[in-house]
Amino acid sequence: GAVVSQHPSRVICKSGTSVKIECRSLDFQATTMFWYRQFPKQSLMLMATSNEGSKATYEQGVEKDKFLINHASLTLSTLTVTSAHPEDSSFYICSSWGGGVTDTQYFGPGTRLTVL
Amino acid sequence: ILNVEQSPQSLHVQEGDSTNFTCSFPSSNFYALHWYRWETAKSPEALFVMTLNGDEKKKGRISATLNTKEGYSYLYIKGSQPEDSATYLCAFATGANNLFFGTGTRLTVIP
Repeated sequence: GAVVSQHPSRVICKSGTSVKIECRSLDFQATTMFWYRQFPKQSLMLMATSNEGSKATYEQGVEKDKFLINHASLTLSTLTVTSAHPEDSSFYICSSWGGGVTDTQYFGPGTRLTVL
Repeated sequence: ILNVEQSPQSLHVQEGDSTNFTCSFPSSNFYALHWYRWETAKSPEALFVMTLNGDEKKKGRISATLNTKEGYSYLYIKGSQPEDSATYLCAFATGANNLFFGTGTRLTVIP
């Protein structure tokens, strides 16, 4: 399967600061990447779909001005949590899509964000 | 939000035992059912993508079945080994990229 890296794996920041998370597709070009988050004891929830060269599509209830997504190349998507607050503390994970009809999504290892 | 349920939430089995767990999903708007294996601190690893009612897929000691009419999939592990310890996630897809995840079944295999 494809390899997706994510950086950083863990970040602790102060309330009000911004945090950038990088997601890289290492061995194939991904026109579409996804950002999910997972709160404790809950399932992975899709936040947004990131399309190379165009604006991201956000799921209902996800603030696009708070969670900035940039997909500037076929191998890199970034998620910036702007003016982070404690309620943004969560596990954020990205994936890229192989593109085939029966293909699956390939995930990064995730980023644990803690906002103090 | 679609309801995808996995059971049990967690289980412990002895090395060598066989085990199985369930993923329940809506029986309408079915496109595909995905299974992932997720070890702590690693990326979820794709196990199977199942699309047809009655599908059975196998990968080594792990196999899965699919019943789209009644809305469930079973994952089986034969002769569990400690390295099988992980969280097993299923995801119900209503389209190529519309995945709705369950909360997972956390398996611990005791040596």
